[in-house]
Amino acid sequence: QSALTQPASVSGSPGQSITISCTGTSSDVGGYNYVSWYQQHPGKAPKLMIYEVSNRPSGVSNRFSGSKSGNTASLTISGLQAEDEADYYCSSYTSSSTLEFGGGTKLTVL
Amino acid sequence: EVQLLESGGGLVQPGGSLRLSCAASGFTFSSYAMSWVRQAPGKGLEWVSAISGSGGSTYYADSVKGRFTISRDNSKNTLYLQMNSLRAEDTAVYYCAKDPRGQQLGTGWYFDLWGRGTLVTVSS
Repeated sequence: QSALTQPASVSGSPGQSITISCTGTSSDVGGYNYVSWYQQHPGKAPKLMIYEVSNRPSGVSNRFSGSKSGNTASLTISGLQAEDEADYYCSSYTSSSTLEFGGGTKLTVL
Repeated sequence: EVQLLESGGGLVQPGGSLRLSCAASGFTFSSYAMSWVRQAPGKGLEWVSAISGSGGSTYYADSVKGRFTISRDNSKNTLYLQMNSLRAEDTAVYYCAKDPRGQQLGTGWYFDLWGRGTLVTVSS
């Protein structure tokens, strides 16, 4: 069981927006602005999409955005495209000087 | 080209040992903290260990503490993971990953560059 809780799956139609949640505790998500999000296509390495809650690395589409409220972080993808279909993982630094990942969310573009 | 290339994976019996390597190229390796992250077949990501750019600071997940050792040779641009007392639950693809913020581990780790991974299978 992962320390950070994500929905197992979400889906949306092309052009729509979806949001993936990532719930932790005050010892991780709620205690630090150190939440990151990764996209992983089948058989590929993860790709950084968001870091420090809401920052986008250069080259990542502005359709991807991140936010946090209390112990829950969120990744929003607007204007869904077929290539967005992938697994998404959140991660958070913890008070124990470790890193936790969420269990992952499978995004299906209908 | 900026890249990380893992090697050293394979089939090992329970209780055995294995050393993984991660060769870095295209960037100043010693200037960045590095981590190992693993992914069991069909499962999610699990952070394993982190090391500062100098190698002077290391951190481990509880699941591997006392069994795994992370190290680096900056003269060879290579990151290592020595894995001892391996268990079936250590079976996974092991990725090395680079923290873009610099050589200090600090807080709030994240990874902008990942290797392709190497598969470790622990089975009799």
